[in-house]
Amino acid sequence: DAKTTQPPSMDCAEGRAANLPCNHSTISGNEYVYWYRQIHSQGPQYIIHGLKNNETNEMASLIITEDRKSSTLILPHATLRDTAVYYCIVALSGTYKYIFGTGTRLKVLA
Amino acid sequence: GAVVSQHPSRVICKSGTSVKIECRSLDFQATTMFWYRQFPKQSLMLMATSNEGSKATYEQGVEKDKFLINHASLTLSTLTVTSAHPEDSSFYICSAGGDRRNQPQHFGDGTRLSIL
Repeated sequence: DAKTTQPPSMDCAEGRAANLPCNHSTISGNEYVYWYRQIHSQGPQYIIHGLKNNETNEMASLIITEDRKSSTLILPHATLRDTAVYYCIVALSGTYKYIFGTGTRLKVLA
Repeated sequence: GAVVSQHPSRVICKSGTSVKIECRSLDFQATTMFWYRQFPKQSLMLMATSNEGSKATYEQGVEKDKFLINHASLTLSTLTVTSAHPEDSSFYICSAGGDRRNQPQHFGDGTRLSIL
């Protein structure tokens, strides 16, 4: 079973920040949090990952709570092209198997 | 950045045919690759872990004789769907993780398999 739970869907206005939450209350100390998104009929696209500290790259920011039981992916200025299903995954590393949950279907509205 | 190439992108064939799907890591070596299946409006389901130079590890409920996996080199894994039937029609996706612990997995663009 997946170790993460996410809301099934969210809407966000174009140009606004999209904040996607993820609960992973059973995460162990050496497991990373990975975020991916999947646009229809394509493979998942890597966005960002982190262990303990908050992370930022050109696509997004990842905020991990101090107890590591939840995290939030932030898309700072959502565009229509950010409409996708977003998956939060907890795993020991990229060489370890990922178990996908149901993800969050984000719809960015014009 | 890291790229995983999957081929073919789409296959349509008759029932009873065996179909081979290739997954290549283009700019890094991958001792481990993964195969997933995805049905419409559902999430990705892990089928098996492909290990370079050794047997694949299959998830519970996945028939190893139906889905043959070969990982003969550090950059190539293949999935063969043997004697495919309409119920095997699905979107098959591979991924590869780098050899460094902190590297994320990267996914191919998937293969849409349709069995008539």
